[in-house]
Amino acid sequence: DAKTTQPTSMDCAEGRAANLPCNHSTISGNEYVYWYRQIHSQGPQYIIHGLKNNETNEMASLIITEDRKSSTLILPHATLRDTAVYYCIVRVHSGNTPLVFGKGTRLSVIA
Amino acid sequence: DAGVTQSPTHLIKTRGQQVTLRCSPKSGHDTVSWYQQALGQGPQFIFQYYEEEERQRGNFPDRFSGHQFPNYSSELNVNALLLGDSALYLCASSRGYRDRTFYEQYFGPGTRLTVT
Repeated sequence: DAKTTQPTSMDCAEGRAANLPCNHSTISGNEYVYWYRQIHSQGPQYIIHGLKNNETNEMASLIITEDRKSSTLILPHATLRDTAVYYCIVRVHSGNTPLVFGKGTRLSVIA
Repeated sequence: DAGVTQSPTHLIKTRGQQVTLRCSPKSGHDTVSWYQQALGQGPQFIFQYYEEEERQRGNFPDRFSGHQFPNYSSELNVNALLLGDSALYLCASSRGYRDRTFYEQYFGPGTRLTVT
């Protein structure tokens, strides 16, 4: 079973920041937080990952609370192409550890 | 650089039949994982292949089997198809199986299997 809890769906206005929350209260010390997204009719796409520090890349920012029990994925300027299902996954930091997906959050970006 | 490719795109089979799905990993990748995604659900891990051997397996029956070839491509076979096997089958590739450095998994577009 997935170790994370996410809202089922969220809406965001185009051009605004999209903040997607994730709870992972049972995360272990050696587990990282990963985010993937799945645009309709495509395979999941890696977005970002982190351990305890905030992380930023060209796609998004990841904010992890100090106790590591929750995190937020931030898409700073959402576009219509960001409409997708977003998955938060906790995982041991090994490239070949299987990904355990929950149902994710369906983000709808609205014009 | 080609990403992960899968064939066929869509497939319709009858209950009880057998099916083979194919996956070519991203260039430079040596590890292939297969996932099943039922409608409205997240992908579920089936198994993973490295050096032509099954290395890890999820909670799937023996009707699901696979193979990896010397060129790292892979096949997923499902025998005695059930209606419940209808799903999107995703292939993901990565590299560095024995390396604990993070290597993200790249997913293909999937094969949509419909069992009637």
